[in-house]
Amino acid sequence: QVQLQESGPGLVKPSETLSLTCTVSGGSISSYYWSWIRQPAGNGLEWIGRIYTSGSTNYNPSLKSRVTMSVDTSKNQFSLKLSSVTAADTAVYYCAREGYTYTSYYFDYWGQGTLVTVSS
Amino acid sequence: QSVLTQPPSASGTPGQRVIISCSGSSSNIGINYVYWYQQLPGTAPKLLIYRNNQRPSGVPDRFSGSKSGTSASLAISGLRSEDEADYYCAAWDDSLSGWVFGGGTKLTVL
Repeated sequence: QVQLQESGPGLVKPSETLSLTCTVSGGSISSYYWSWIRQPAGNGLEWIGRIYTSGSTNYNPSLKSRVTMSVDTSKNQFSLKLSSVTAADTAVYYCAREGYTYTSYYFDYWGQGTLVTVSS
Repeated sequence: QSVLTQPPSASGTPGQRVIISCSGSSSNIGINYVYWYQQLPGTAPKLLIYRNNQRPSGVPDRFSGSKSGTSASLAISGLRSEDEADYYCAAWDDSLSGWVFGGGTKLTVL
C-alpha cells in the first residue's frame, strides 16, 4: 500500500520561502507524476503543480513565478518550495500521486496533509 | 474563483437521489475526462469517479458520474448519512496545462 507523508515547518514568516517534502513509502516513486495541492481553511482545492520522476514539471500559472519542485528518486521524496509567501498562502498542503489507467490520470494516493501558517 | 463551477451546497434526505453539477469549458471538461473526489471532514480527498463514469474498486454503485459537452454531474442514489461530505470535480485543462478543480459542493444529509 502506497503511503505519502508531508513534512516541513508549520509556521513560515511573510516574504520567506515555504519548503515541504513528501516521502513516498510502500512503492517506487519512479514513473509517476507527483503533485502538490493546497486547501485554505474552509475553501476548495487548488492544484499547485506536479513533477515527473524525470524532473519534468507543470505549474499552476497563477503560482508559477513562485514555485519550484524537485524530486529525489534515491530517497523516494519530492519537494515543494514556494517563495515570497503571504497570509494568502496559509493552507493545508497535500502531496498526491497521479495514478493512471490507460489514458486516464487521477490522484489515487494522498498524504494526510500538513497545515502551513504564514505569520510573523 | 474556480475554473470549474459547482453549486456550493446540496442536500437530501436518507434514501433520496442527489445530483451535483460541474460546469467547465472547451479546454477542460469539453475535451478531457472528469474526476470526482469525496472529502470527509478532516481527511484528505478520496477518488470517487474517474474517466467520467468509472468507479474505483470499493466505491459503492450508488455513486455514478456522467458527462455531456462541457458539463458533468455526480449522482448519489440511496443517500446515507455517511455520504455527508464535500465533493469536488476535477479535470485537466489543456490551455493551462494543469489540473483544475471545482469549488466544491457541501452535501448535507438531512
